[in-house]
Amino acid sequence: GAVVSQHPSWVICKSGTSVKIECRSLDFQATTMFWYRQFPKQSLMLMATSNEGSKATYEQGVEKDKFLINHASLTLSTLTVTSAHPEDSSFYICSSAQGVWAEQYFGPGTRLTVT
Amino acid sequence: GNSVTQMEGPVTLSEEAFLTINCTYTATGYPSLFWYVQYPGEGLQLLLKATKADDKGSNKGFEATYRKETTSFHLEKGSVQVSDSAVYFCALSDTGGGNKLTFGTGTQLKVEL
Repeated sequence: GAVVSQHPSWVICKSGTSVKIECRSLDFQATTMFWYRQFPKQSLMLMATSNEGSKATYEQGVEKDKFLINHASLTLSTLTVTSAHPEDSSFYICSSAQGVWAEQYFGPGTRLTVT
Repeated sequence: GNSVTQMEGPVTLSEEAFLTINCTYTATGYPSLFWYVQYPGEGLQLLLKATKADDKGSNKGFEATYRKETTSFHLEKGSVQVSDSAVYFCALSDTGGGNKLTFGTGTQLKVEL
């Protein structure tokens, strides 16, 4: 299957700072990327869907000004958590697909801890 | 809205035991159903899927049948191995929602010698 990487795999930041998470599709061109958030012992919750070159579509209840998503190329999408607070601590997972209806390939996730 | 409910874990089995992980769903329309597996330190991988009622998805000895009448998609394997130890997620994709996936909470499987 296709390979998707995330960087960093874990990050600790101070409250009020911003942190950027990268998602890369290593061996295929991903026209669509998805960002999920996972709380301990809970399911993955879709945060937003992004298509290359256009603005992301956010799910209801997700603050688009807080979670900035950029999908500037067919192999890279970034999620920036702005002015992070301890309640933003979570596991963030991205997936990539060759189209909105295609199979999603998932990255290994990024553990964010805000102190 | 859509939802997926799966049994809580961890599930601990001895090698060669029979595995069942229950999954039921609620959805509008006619969803596609999926099982994903996540090995330690890796991303979720698609294990199997079924796109319509009575379809059976199968892969690597795992099977699941799309049961519309009971809104279920239980995962089964006849003889588990230590290498099957992982977290298993049931998910659905609603026909009206593009490829948006709704996940269950995941079930951790531990297989011991």
